Amino acid sequence: EVQLVESGGGLVQPGGSLRLSCAASGFTFSSYWMSWVRQAPGKGLEWVANIKQDGSENYFVDSVKGRFTISRDNAKNSLYLQMNSLRAEDTAVYYCARDHRSGSLDYWGQGTLVTVSS
Amino acid sequence: AIQMTQSPSSLSASVGDRVTITCRASQGIRNDLGWYQQKPGKAPKLLIYSASSLQSGVPSRFSGSGSGTDFTLTISTLQPEDFATYYCLQDYNYPRTFGQGTKVEIK
Repeated sequence: EVQLVESGGGLVQPGGSLRLSCAASGFTFSSYWMSWVRQAPGKGLEWVANIKQDGSENYFVDSVKGRFTISRDNAKNSLYLQMNSLRAEDTAVYYCARDHRSGSLDYWGQGTLVTVSS
Repeated sequence: AIQMTQSPSSLSASVGDRVTITCRASQGIRNDLGWYQQKPGKAPKLLIYSASSLQSGVPSRFSGSGSGTDFTLTISTLQPEDFATYYCLQDYNYPRTFGQGTKVEIK
């Protein structure tokens, strides 16, 4: 059974940093692109970033470029999102998701809440 | 970035109704589009990929169509468990972009 479990969310002050983790199981993690998607409270979904199987390629939404980095450790079956210079507008539930071969996101974690507030 | 415009933003329907949700892309995206269902407090669930392919385990009452700029998600016979918010997502290029969502409510 495919499982994705996010962790690392919490309350952080504006300008602060946080590192999210996603532990994957039930599939060959190193064979898939992986993504992060977020959802602000009461709002719609926003794709944030993704990373290639070997970590050699990644993409970001413009609003987080230069502040967020995405990485993975295939030996640990883990995906990460390092978030720096956090802003109030980064407050959201952050989901990790597996990229289906078609490009769609076929499995999702349960999400972890990040709150940026003083 | 490609803009994805969903319509309607919400709709009221009854069990047994046929429901259609549309998604329009600001430029052509071939068939690189997926549809997702999200219930309150839960993660999204993939329903349709590549515009018209049914994801494994998804009931056949869900179908997708379209190519280029105009896409449709159809629920042929609405069931109680289908009341949720639906999103489209283009995976044609980066950044990937979602539609704003369509909330399907009980009439």
